[in-house]
Amino acid sequence: TAGITQAPTSQILAAGRSMTLRCTQDMRHNAMYWYRQDLGLGLRLIHYSNTAGTTGKGEVPDGYSVSRANTDDFPLTLASAVPSQTSVYFCASSDSKGRVEGYTFGSGTRLTVV
Amino acid sequence: GESVGLHLPTLSVQEGDNSIINCAYSNSASDYFIWYKQESGKGPQFIIDIRSNMDKRQGQRVTVLLNKTVKHLSLQIAATQPGDSAVYFCAENKVPYGGSQGNLIFGKGTKLSVKP
Repeated sequence: TAGITQAPTSQILAAGRSMTLRCTQDMRHNAMYWYRQDLGLGLRLIHYSNTAGTTGKGEVPDGYSVSRANTDDFPLTLASAVPSQTSVYFCASSDSKGRVEGYTFGSGTRLTVV
Repeated sequence: GESVGLHLPTLSVQEGDNSIINCAYSNSASDYFIWYKQESGKGPQFIIDIRSNMDKRQGQRVTVLLNKTVKHLSLQIAATQPGDSAVYFCAENKVPYGGSQGNLIFGKGTKLSVKP
């Protein structure tokens, strides 16, 4: 089934450790995004990439980095995790041709930093 | 801060009744609005969208209304079913539809509970 695959589905991480959240899409979408979802705050954009080779900062980029070496993959890295990064992380992609369906989201990664 | 918000954090309705979920936005430059449904443990799922040059758009059992005068967006669900229980988010896209990619700004969500 075409879509977005995120890994891992959940993770407990010690503060100070690094981690990379993986995101892969098979729809050949140009644009990809990382959001974090916290109760009462909705989804907030961390980083985005409009096309392979380019990335940009969203609303809450601090403590996160991304890369977009190819169209399909958009990994999110936490260099030194802190408890405030405990959240559910969603990767999404969109078709640059403006499909009416908007974004397609992955199933999320639940991260707990202790 | 976020330019999209919701009037009610929770909504409880009886099965079979109609549901109305509201959303206020503040960015008059936004020209594309989307409603998403998120079930527990899953990612947001597209429901319906509307462009700013439209007032109303209908889908299967859902209708989105846009009032640009008061910057208000609503989602109406007809004959609400238990499977409609979820959190609903409105979102706005500040980039012209069909053009280069923009970023979706989400509201905080409304939890819809359907009583059997």
